[in-house]
Amino acid sequence: GAVVSQHPSRVICKSGTSVKIECRSLDFQATTMFWYRQFPKQSLMLMATSNEGSKATYEQGVEKDKFLINHASLTLSTLTVTSAHPEDSSFYICSARGGTNRYEQYFGPGTRLTVT
Amino acid sequence: AQSVAQPEDQVNVAEGNPLTVKCTYSVSGNPYLFWYVQYPNRGLQFLLKYITGDNLVKGSYGFEAEFNKSQTSFHLKKPSALVSDSALYFCAVRDRGDYKLSFGAGTTVTVRA
Repeated sequence: GAVVSQHPSRVICKSGTSVKIECRSLDFQATTMFWYRQFPKQSLMLMATSNEGSKATYEQGVEKDKFLINHASLTLSTLTVTSAHPEDSSFYICSARGGTNRYEQYFGPGTRLTVT
Repeated sequence: AQSVAQPEDQVNVAEGNPLTVKCTYSVSGNPYLFWYVQYPNRGLQFLLKYITGDNLVKGSYGFEAEFNKSQTSFHLKKPSALVSDSALYFCAVRDRGDYKLSFGAGTTVTVRA
């Protein structure tokens, strides 16, 4: 149980376009979802926290107009990178909290974004 | 504020030898502590956690960790390392009053045959 999926696993887009990444909790209801960004061989940086049906809370320094987060249902959150630039290329990982275990976050497999 | 320090960027051990990955933490209240492992281009896999109770926590794949409150440490250990344990390991902490996790910088473990 407690499986989180992400789609797509890899995406390449051109500079100036927008790309959407989906995060789904497959077998539990996620009351809270988190979006992280990870640069090569570095730690995870929390970008934002989203609760179902409400606006996401962004960490300091994260542009909310550039990284649009929607948590429309208890099993789906989306991250849209708008007007992507090469410096947005990174590994994006989501996690979800919910279900019967209130202590843990369950992590998705990540999405590799490359902006050319 | 909460933070995690993993003082070693890399740990190299021979297969069959003990493996230790160090972690110290700082929180304002009582901590929840976690260890995760990450393989290349993959998400994080949960290894173990300390919530309360016994200071020695046993987790997946033969790993264990010991919570030491006086030293604010939560070192990850495995008695006999395998080549397949080679990966990136993250220690994470959160305060009991917050759901946000803070991660250490990560330690790359290389186990040589």
